[in-house]
Amino acid sequence: EAAVTQSPRNKVAVTGGKVTLSCNQTNNHNNMYWYRQDTGHGLRLIHYSYGAGSTEKGDIPDGYKASRPSQENFSLILELATPSQTSVYFCASGDWGGALNYAEQFFGPGTRLTVL
Amino acid sequence: GDSVTQTEGQVALSEEDFLTIHCNYSASGYPALFWYVQYPGEGPQFLFRASRDKEKGSSRGFEATYDKGTTSFHLRKASVQESDSAVYYCALGGRRGSALGRLHFGAGTQLIVIP
Repeated sequence: EAAVTQSPRNKVAVTGGKVTLSCNQTNNHNNMYWYRQDTGHGLRLIHYSYGAGSTEKGDIPDGYKASRPSQENFSLILELATPSQTSVYFCASGDWGGALNYAEQFFGPGTRLTVL
Repeated sequence: GDSVTQTEGQVALSEEDFLTIHCNYSASGYPALFWYVQYPGEGPQFLFRASRDKEKGSSRGFEATYDKGTTSFHLRKASVQESDSAVYYCALGGRRGSALGRLHFGAGTQLIVIP
């Protein structure tokens, strides 16, 4: 069974502060993803990674950085948090699974971030 | 760019009603299509997928058929139960060799089933 964990589960930050959201997966998947979820927008991709040491910009990368120090860990960093970044953030991992031609993604439980 | 449109933001039904949630997509190439379900307080979870025209995906009584002609992948269930109350996301995904498996999600449809 796929296992993706996120920490913290809830976070309150102040405007201008630095926030780091962490994600760990035990599936040995190459690909990892960070999404934010907002009403009316669904899930939007912020950053993703193909493997340790790689990060790529998704659809809404402005104001966010990502770090993939190892196969298992993928962090999302808000250097200067703003109230517009108040949201629920989901991490996911996925891979091609051998003969599959698509990558199924497994999601973590989410982190609720409030920026005051 | 690739995109997914779900026309219903919320659907309210009584138990044993028939469910349809509409999903239309716009994409270059030949994407795979997915349905994900999200229960309160949890992350989205994979429901099923289809990867070629006319293929039917199904799971837990839900089903959808990939229709390249109408660019649709509508979710249906014959008889909903209160436990089906959740948010449902339609998504399209790149195949191997294209953008490494990233998914494009629709806005989601909240299903409320009244007992």
